[in-house]
Amino acid sequence: DIQLTQSPSFLSASVGDRVTITCRASQGIRSYLAWYQQKPGKAPKLLIYAASTLQSGVPSRFSASGSGTEFTLTISSLQPEDFATYYCQQLNSYFALTFGGGTKVEIK
Amino acid sequence: QVLLVESGGGVVQPGRSLRLSCAASGITFSTYAMHWVRQAPGKGLEWVAVISFDGNNKYYADSVKGRFTISRDNSKNTLYLQMNSLRVEDTAVYYCARDQHYYDSSGYYIGWFDPWGQGTLVTVSS
Repeated sequence: DIQLTQSPSFLSASVGDRVTITCRASQGIRSYLAWYQQKPGKAPKLLIYAASTLQSGVPSRFSASGSGTEFTLTISSLQPEDFATYYCQQLNSYFALTFGGGTKVEIK
Repeated sequence: QVLLVESGGGVVQPGRSLRLSCAASGITFSTYAMHWVRQAPGKGLEWVAVISFDGNNKYYADSVKGRFTISRDNSKNTLYLQMNSLRVEDTAVYYCARDQHYYDSSGYYIGWFDPWGQGTLVTVSS
Protein backbone atom coordinates (compact mmCIF):
# COMPACT_ATOMS: atom_id res chain seq x y z
CA ASP A 1 0.00 0.00 0.00
CA ILE A 2 1.04 3.58 -0.60
CA GLN A 3 1.95 5.36 2.64
CA LEU A 4 1.38 9.08 3.10
CA THR A 5 3.48 10.97 5.63
CA GLN A 6 2.25 14.39 6.71
CA SER A 7 4.43 16.95 8.42
CA PRO A 8 4.22 18.47 10.82
CA SER A 9 1.71 16.39 12.76
CA PHE A 10 1.00 19.39 14.98
CA LEU A 11 1.30 23.08 14.20
CA SER A 12 0.75 26.08 16.45
CA ALA A 13 0.10 29.33 14.60
CA SER A 14 -1.49 32.75 14.95
CA VAL A 15 -4.30 34.38 13.02
CA GLY A 16 -2.81 35.93 9.89
CA ASP A 17 0.11 33.49 9.68
CA ARG A 18 1.05 31.69 6.48
CA VAL A 19 0.90 27.95 7.09
CA THR A 20 2.28 25.12 4.96
CA ILE A 21 1.61 21.42 5.43
CA THR A 22 3.56 18.76 3.55
CA CYS A 23 2.38 15.33 2.42
CA ARG A 24 4.92 12.81 1.08
CA ALA A 25 3.92 9.61 -0.70
CA SER A 26 5.95 6.41 -0.47
CA GLN A 27 5.74 6.07 -4.25
CA GLY A 28 4.69 8.29 -7.11
CA ILE A 29 0.98 9.06 -7.30
CA ARG A 30 0.98 11.59 -10.13
CA SER A 31 -1.64 14.18 -9.10
CA TYR A 32 -4.01 11.74 -7.44
CA LEU A 33 -4.17 13.61 -4.15
CA ALA A 34 -6.93 15.34 -2.20
CA TRP A 35 -6.89 17.47 0.95
CA TYR A 36 -9.60 17.55 3.59
CA GLN A 37 -10.31 19.70 6.64
CA GLN A 38 -11.90 18.21 9.73
CA LYS A 39 -13.18 20.07 12.76
CA PRO A 40 -13.87 18.30 16.08
CA GLY A 41 -17.02 16.19 15.98
CA LYS A 42 -17.60 16.90 12.30
CA ALA A 43 -17.14 15.00 9.07
CA PRO A 44 -14.17 15.80 6.84
CA LYS A 45 -14.72 18.49 4.24
CA LEU A 46 -13.07 18.48 0.83
CA LEU A 47 -10.71 21.41 0.19
CA ILE A 48 -8.56 20.38 -2.79
CA TYR A 49 -8.68 17.61 -5.40
CA ALA A 50 -6.35 16.58 -8.20
CA ALA A 51 -3.48 17.92 -6.07
CA SER A 52 -4.15 21.59 -6.77
CA THR A 53 -7.79 22.22 -7.77
CA LEU A 54 -9.71 24.25 -5.21
CA GLN A 55 -13.16 22.83 -4.45
CA SER A 56 -16.01 25.23 -5.19
CA GLY A 57 -16.85 27.37 -2.18
CA VAL A 58 -13.47 26.95 -0.47
CA PRO A 59 -11.79 30.29 0.30
CA SER A 60 -8.95 31.31 -2.00
CA ARG A 61 -6.52 31.58 0.92
CA PHE A 62 -6.22 27.81 0.56
CA SER A 63 -3.93 26.55 -2.19
CA ALA A 64 -2.05 23.37 -2.91
CA SER A 65 0.60 22.07 -5.23
CA GLY A 66 2.75 19.07 -6.02
CA SER A 67 2.88 15.88 -8.02
CA GLY A 68 4.64 12.56 -7.82
CA THR A 69 5.67 12.09 -4.20
CA GLU A 70 5.66 15.55 -2.62
CA PHE A 71 2.66 17.77 -2.06
CA THR A 72 1.89 20.90 -0.05
CA LEU A 73 -1.20 22.62 1.29
CA THR A 74 -0.83 26.32 2.07
CA ILE A 75 -3.11 28.67 3.97
CA SER A 76 -1.96 32.15 3.02
CA SER A 77 -3.45 33.99 6.01
CA LEU A 78 -4.79 31.79 8.78
CA GLN A 79 -8.30 32.66 9.94
CA PRO A 80 -10.00 31.63 13.21
CA GLU A 81 -12.23 29.15 11.36
CA ASP A 82 -9.19 27.39 9.88
CA PHE A 83 -8.09 25.85 13.16
CA ALA A 84 -8.74 22.18 12.45
CA THR A 85 -7.05 18.96 11.43
CA TYR A 86 -5.99 18.54 7.81
CA TYR A 87 -5.61 15.23 5.98
CA CYS A 88 -4.15 14.34 2.62
CA GLN A 89 -5.49 11.32 0.71
CA GLN A 90 -4.04 9.41 -2.20
CA LEU A 91 -6.38 8.10 -4.88
CA ASN A 92 -3.77 6.46 -7.08
CA SER A 93 -5.15 3.01 -6.44
CA TYR A 94 -8.79 2.36 -5.63
CA PHE A 95 -7.79 -1.06 -4.31
CA ALA A 96 -6.04 0.52 -1.36
CA LEU A 97 -6.87 4.16 -0.73
CA THR A 98 -4.94 5.77 2.11
CA PHE A 99 -4.89 8.94 4.16
CA GLY A 100 -2.05 10.77 5.77
CA GLY A 101 -1.84 10.82 9.55
CA GLY A 102 -3.22 14.34 9.81
CA THR A 103 -1.91 17.76 10.80
CA LYS A 104 -3.60 19.51 13.68
CA VAL A 105 -3.48 23.31 13.41
CA GLU A 106 -3.96 25.01 16.75
CA ILE A 107 -4.03 28.59 17.95
CA LYS A 108 -0.73 29.90 19.31
CA GLN B 1 -28.49 19.76 -1.81
CA VAL B 2 -26.63 16.50 -1.53
CA LEU B 3 -27.18 14.77 1.78
CA LEU B 4 -25.78 11.51 3.14
CA VAL B 5 -27.16 10.22 6.43
CA GLU B 6 -25.66 7.21 8.18
CA SER B 7 -27.50 5.07 10.70
CA GLY B 8 -27.21 1.73 12.43
CA GLY B 9 -24.34 2.38 14.79
CA GLY B 10 -24.37 1.30 18.41
CA VAL B 11 -22.70 -0.83 21.05
CA VAL B 12 -22.04 -4.46 20.15
CA GLN B 13 -20.05 -7.28 21.72
CA PRO B 14 -16.92 -8.66 20.07
CA GLY B 15 -17.73 -11.35 17.53
CA ARG B 16 -21.21 -10.03 16.84
CA SER B 17 -22.56 -8.33 13.71
CA LEU B 18 -23.95 -4.93 12.80
CA ARG B 19 -25.27 -3.39 9.60
CA LEU B 20 -24.79 0.28 8.80
CA SER B 21 -26.88 2.21 6.31
CA CYS B 22 -26.24 5.43 4.43
CA ALA B 23 -29.27 7.11 2.89
CA ALA B 24 -28.58 9.48 0.02
CA SER B 25 -30.71 12.34 -1.22
CA GLY B 26 -30.24 15.17 -3.67
CA ILE B 27 -28.16 13.05 -6.06
CA THR B 28 -28.69 10.45 -8.75
CA PHE B 29 -27.36 7.81 -6.40
CA SER B 30 -27.15 5.06 -9.01
CA THR B 31 -24.48 6.92 -10.99
CA TYR B 32 -21.87 7.22 -8.23
CA ALA B 33 -19.41 4.88 -6.60
CA MET B 34 -19.60 5.09 -2.82
CA HIS B 35 -17.13 4.61 0.03
CA TRP B 36 -17.04 3.83 3.72
CA VAL B 37 -14.33 5.48 5.82
CA ARG B 38 -13.83 5.09 9.57
CA GLN B 39 -12.13 7.01 12.33
CA ALA B 40 -11.22 5.43 15.64
CA PRO B 41 -11.54 7.71 18.68
CA GLY B 42 -8.79 10.32 18.61
CA LYS B 43 -7.20 8.79 15.50
CA GLY B 44 -6.95 9.52 11.81
CA LEU B 45 -9.05 8.48 8.85
CA GLU B 46 -9.00 4.93 7.51
CA TRP B 47 -10.61 3.97 4.22
CA VAL B 48 -12.74 0.83 4.60
CA ALA B 49 -14.40 -0.09 1.32
CA VAL B 50 -15.67 1.10 -2.05
CA ILE B 51 -18.49 -0.10 -4.30
CA SER B 52 -18.99 0.79 -7.94
CA PHE B 53 -22.09 2.62 -9.12
CA ASP B 54 -23.79 -0.61 -10.19
CA GLY B 55 -22.59 -2.73 -7.27
CA ASN B 56 -20.56 -5.04 -9.48
CA ASN B 57 -17.13 -4.08 -8.16
CA LYS B 58 -16.12 -3.90 -4.53
CA TYR B 59 -12.76 -3.40 -2.83
CA TYR B 60 -11.84 -3.56 0.84
CA ALA B 61 -9.08 -2.54 3.19
CA ASP B 62 -7.03 -5.53 4.35
CA SER B 63 -8.14 -4.84 7.94
CA VAL B 64 -11.79 -5.69 7.13
CA LYS B 65 -11.48 -8.06 4.18
CA GLY B 66 -13.49 -11.23 4.74
CA ARG B 67 -15.47 -9.72 7.63
CA PHE B 68 -17.18 -6.66 6.14
CA THR B 69 -19.39 -6.51 3.05
CA ILE B 70 -20.32 -3.34 1.22
CA SER B 71 -23.52 -3.30 -0.82
CA ARG B 72 -26.09 -0.93 -2.22
CA ASP B 73 -29.73 -0.75 -3.20
CA ASN B 74 -30.06 1.83 -5.94
CA SER B 75 -33.85 1.59 -5.85
CA LYS B 76 -33.70 2.84 -2.25
CA ASN B 77 -30.77 5.25 -2.70
CA THR B 78 -29.04 3.46 0.15
CA LEU B 79 -25.54 2.17 0.81
CA TYR B 80 -24.84 -0.56 3.36
CA LEU B 81 -21.95 -1.96 5.35
CA GLN B 82 -22.48 -5.40 6.85
CA MET B 83 -19.94 -5.90 9.61
CA ASN B 84 -19.42 -9.42 10.92
CA SER B 85 -17.00 -10.87 13.48
CA LEU B 86 -16.53 -7.44 14.99
CA ARG B 87 -13.39 -6.72 16.99
CA VAL B 88 -12.62 -4.13 19.63
CA GLU B 89 -10.35 -2.41 17.10
CA ASP B 90 -13.34 -1.83 14.79
CA THR B 91 -14.61 0.77 17.26
CA ALA B 92 -14.88 3.99 15.27
CA VAL B 93 -17.11 6.59 13.71
CA TYR B 94 -18.09 5.26 10.28
CA TYR B 95 -18.64 7.74 7.47
CA CYS B 96 -20.07 7.18 4.02
CA ALA B 97 -18.82 9.38 1.20
CA ARG B 98 -19.65 9.89 -2.44
CA ASP B 99 -16.94 9.27 -5.01
CA GLN B 100 -16.54 12.14 -7.47
CA HIS B 101 -14.22 12.02 -10.44
CA TYR B 102 -13.32 13.12 -13.92
CA TYR B 103 -11.05 11.71 -16.58
CA ASP B 104 -8.01 13.82 -17.39
CA SER B 105 -6.62 14.44 -20.87
CA SER B 106 -4.69 11.17 -20.69
CA GLY B 107 -7.77 9.22 -19.69
CA TYR B 108 -6.73 8.78 -16.08
CA TYR B 109 -9.41 8.66 -13.38
CA ILE B 110 -9.03 11.64 -11.05
CA GLY B 111 -11.12 11.04 -7.93
CA TRP B 112 -12.04 12.55 -4.60
CA PHE B 113 -14.63 12.14 -1.82
CA ASP B 114 -17.44 14.68 -1.57
CA PRO B 115 -19.65 14.99 0.34
CA TRP B 116 -19.36 12.94 3.51
CA GLY B 117 -22.15 11.92 5.86
CA GLN B 118 -22.15 13.01 9.49
CA GLY B 119 -20.99 9.59 10.68
CA THR B 120 -22.36 6.89 12.97
CA LEU B 121 -20.48 5.56 16.00
CA VAL B 122 -19.82 1.85 16.35
CA THR B 123 -18.51 0.68 19.72
CA VAL B 124 -17.32 -2.89 20.06
CA SER B 125 -17.00 -3.80 23.71
CA SER B 126 -17.79 -6.63 26.04
